[in-house]
Amino acid sequence: KNQVEQSPQSLIILEGKNCTLQCNYTVSPFSNLRWYKQDTGRGPVSLTIMTFSENTKSNGRYTATLDADTKQSSLHITASQLSDSASYICVVSAGSNYQLIWGAGTKLIIKP
Amino acid sequence: ETGVTQTPRHLVMGMTNKKSLKCEQHLGHNAMYWYKQSAKKPLELMFVYSLEERVENNSVPSRFSPECPNSSHLFLHLHTLQPEDSALYLCASSHKLRDSGTDTQYFGPGTRLTVL
Repeated sequence: KNQVEQSPQSLIILEGKNCTLQCNYTVSPFSNLRWYKQDTGRGPVSLTIMTFSENTKSNGRYTATLDADTKQSSLHITASQLSDSASYICVVSAGSNYQLIWGAGTKLIIKP
Repeated sequence: ETGVTQTPRHLVMGMTNKKSLKCEQHLGHNAMYWYKQSAKKPLELMFVYSLEERVENNSVPSRFSPECPNSSHLFLHLHTLQPEDSALYLCASSHKLRDSGTDTQYFGPGTRLTVL
């Protein structure tokens, strides 16, 4: 069964600290993996997309990694800011735009 | 206004009411999507419309009825809903439907639906 599991379910850290969110998937065939950020009361916004051959991709203070062998991805946030408070969702594509397997998300809270 | 817009932003309705959600995209995309987002659960794809085809999730109850009059507008008609249908309903659009999945979906802000 195609599945995406994210951990932790929620996380609270102090402003300025780093954190890492995890995503494990069992999706076949694998096309790509994407991380979305969803602010409260808003729709998800794409942060980064990674294909099979990519190991690391950065977008500002966000760095995503992908290990296709172990089927794991992580999203590392450096020097967190209050505006990073949001839900972060991992999504794996099984081949087309309607064959997306969504994770339940990690809710991140940054405290001052 | 640019991007994807949704109206209304909030909706409270009784189980016997009929209402409609509206989505409009200003991005020139050819595919539009309806998703249901319940608390602590993954997004659930409900319906997809593109120039090529319509895709449905067969588990979606018939009390939800989509309409796509053109490539820029998408509606979700609601009738005789149940309290468990309370959720955030998100609309999204993308350039195309059938590709390697690298085409980004752009989401609207959602409609928060409460069924009493």
